[in-house]
Amino acid sequence: ETGVTQTPRHLVMGMTNKKSLKCEQHLGHNAMYWYKQSAKKPLELMFVYNFKEQTENNSVPSRFSPECPNSSHLFLHLHTLQPEDSALYLCASSQDWDPVNSPLHFGNGTRLTVT
Amino acid sequence: AQSVTQPDIHITVSEGASLELRCNYSYGATPYLFWYVQSPGQGLQLLLKYFSGDTLVQGIKGFEAEFKRSQSSFNLRKPSVHWSDAAEYFCAVGPPSGGYQKVTFGTGTKLQVIP
Repeated sequence: ETGVTQTPRHLVMGMTNKKSLKCEQHLGHNAMYWYKQSAKKPLELMFVYNFKEQTENNSVPSRFSPECPNSSHLFLHLHTLQPEDSALYLCASSQDWDPVNSPLHFGNGTRLTVT
Repeated sequence: AQSVTQPDIHITVSEGASLELRCNYSYGATPYLFWYVQSPGQGLQLLLKYFSGDTLVQGIKGFEAEFKRSQSSFNLRKPSVHWSDAAEYFCAVGPPSGGYQKVTFGTGTKLQVIP
């Protein structure tokens, strides 16, 4: 059982829809992340939240909007997506932002298909 | 800028055979290095990491990796592969400071294990 839970597991949406991805971590971690995983591409970091504050936004288009209401929950709000946004979206958490003592724990991802 | 290369997109080995997955990095000093594994339908799981000290690092599931500064490599090895090792393996590199925001992932090597 993973300590990081993502819902839904699969999502199909049209380009005009609005949907949200949800991530919940049960590990007491202080940092949470959204990653995008596309075939044959490196894992792309999208957003970072540390103690509920957004500390990184890697030039992600505004059609992706993150929300972190508390240190256990992270959302990714989606609207007006493009077909190239189809990918596996992974949520991760870590105790803090330092990789030395704080491994990343990943959820199983949401497979998003934009039609 | 740092980078990481996994030259093999796909590798097939027989069960019980030894395994070596290649990872080459580009970074001006000694980086942090990681290997992650992703089983089908799941998120990434940390296998092992190197920060400093002994260049031979032991990880979970019987894996080890060796940091070779002269070759800018951090290859992953396992003496005897099990069918359950079939998965995709990702090498990652990051600077000694800056958190996960600065960690770069490779494009992955997919491992197939045949009976």
